[in-house]
Amino acid sequence: GESVGLHLPTLSVQEGDNSIINCAYSNSASDYFIWYKQESGKGPQFIIDIRSNMDKRQGQRVTVLLNKTVKHLSLQIAATQPGDSAVYFCAENMWGYSTLTFGKGTMLLVSP
Amino acid sequence: EPEVTQTPSHQVTQMGQEVILRCVPISNHLYFYWYRQILGQKVEFLVSFYNNEISEKSEIFDDQFSVERPDGSNFTLKIRSTKLEDSAMYFCASKTDNEKLFFGSGTQLSVL
Repeated sequence: GESVGLHLPTLSVQEGDNSIINCAYSNSASDYFIWYKQESGKGPQFIIDIRSNMDKRQGQRVTVLLNKTVKHLSLQIAATQPGDSAVYFCAENMWGYSTLTFGKGTMLLVSP
Repeated sequence: EPEVTQTPSHQVTQMGQEVILRCVPISNHLYFYWYRQILGQKVEFLVSFYNNEISEKSEIFDDQFSVERPDGSNFTLKIRSTKLEDSAMYFCASKTDNEKLFFGSGTQLSVL
């Protein structure tokens, strides 16, 4: 029978590499997007957000890119560190609604 | 930095029993949420609460679930008669009137 698995996409990188985590969203009416980081046993932690009137936003060591044409969001982490190892979720929100809808998550593993 | 706090961190209960999960949102926040995450899966929206009433709820949030803000600081989620499939990590979250959502560390509910 079908197994209920922990089949998170996984990205493995070396310390110091740049990481790119991708997310496809489905709702073309979504106009606000957030990346969250979730470490084991903890709640999601805000990393960076972007509105649909922008296509790029930079934070400290992180950059979010938004391509509305193909409904694609990416998170770039520069000079990845072992402390960046976590599951990363994108989330979307539609104007007028307060509810965030989360994507499936990507596990980032950083080797020293 | 202010944070959302949740108690207990772990809750074990027998099927059919009632459980109450407790949260103290960030003090100046106006919108309160419960999300859950089944092991290895994405974070799912349950319910949002604003101005002392439910503003949105998902199809997961059936008659077995209820929320309450009994005083000016606590926000609770009650599951009336727990089922095995209610086993999950339950996250409380809160925000002001912008979109940035802050999550607590979660309560791991195990229904036996």
